[in-house]
Amino acid sequence: DQQVKQNSPSLSVQEGRISILNCDYTNSMFDYFLWYKKYPAEGPTFLISISSIKDKNEDGRFTVFLNKSAKHLSLHIVPSQPGDSAVYFCAASWTSGTYKYIFGTGTRLKVLA
Amino acid sequence: NAGVTQTPKFRVLKTGQSMTLLCAQDMNHEYMYWYRQDPGMGLRLIHYSVGEGTTAKGEVPDGYNVSRLKKQNFLLGLESAAPSQTSVYFCASSYRKGLSYEQYFGPGTRLTVT
Repeated sequence: DQQVKQNSPSLSVQEGRISILNCDYTNSMFDYFLWYKKYPAEGPTFLISISSIKDKNEDGRFTVFLNKSAKHLSLHIVPSQPGDSAVYFCAASWTSGTYKYIFGTGTRLKVLA
Repeated sequence: NAGVTQTPKFRVLKTGQSMTLLCAQDMNHEYMYWYRQDPGMGLRLIHYSVGEGTTAKGEVPDGYNVSRLKKQNFLLGLESAAPSQTSVYFCASSYRKGLSYEQYFGPGTRLTVT
């Protein structure tokens, strides 16, 4: 039972254009969401997060959008750069004391120069 | 400040052998986690700890044991390794920051069981 789904295993985007990575979840109890970036042979690193009380959070070139009614979040990267090429994981959590995150399967982004 | 470190980086085991993976963090974080990453499966939580001396099962705990005797260390043990445990193992630590428990990951341990 995959509670957090990233249905696109890979995505290719031209440098300078927008990258949109999608994530769907099934558990309505989730109230905190994060995106992590992972380069080969390294651990994931935190990118951006959003609480369920918001529908948008921005940090530089990265924006996360949350649509609670659709149980969907997306990560926008504008403009995309070759250094953004990595695997992106979304993760979801309940903040009421479980201390755990459920991760999606990841989307491999390739930004073409 | 080294963050989260993992030892060893690579290991090859034969079926039935045992080993311990060590995770250490120098950020004074309360919470620590062990994940495994397999192709097409994302990161799956094996065990986690919410404080020194406490551990709890995650999504895929079978075949693994853990201990958190010191706040800064979290050990993952495989008592009798199986080929199904071939994977990349990541340790993470976190603390509560407002509503979030942002996790900091180690570089990973690549384990092959033959």
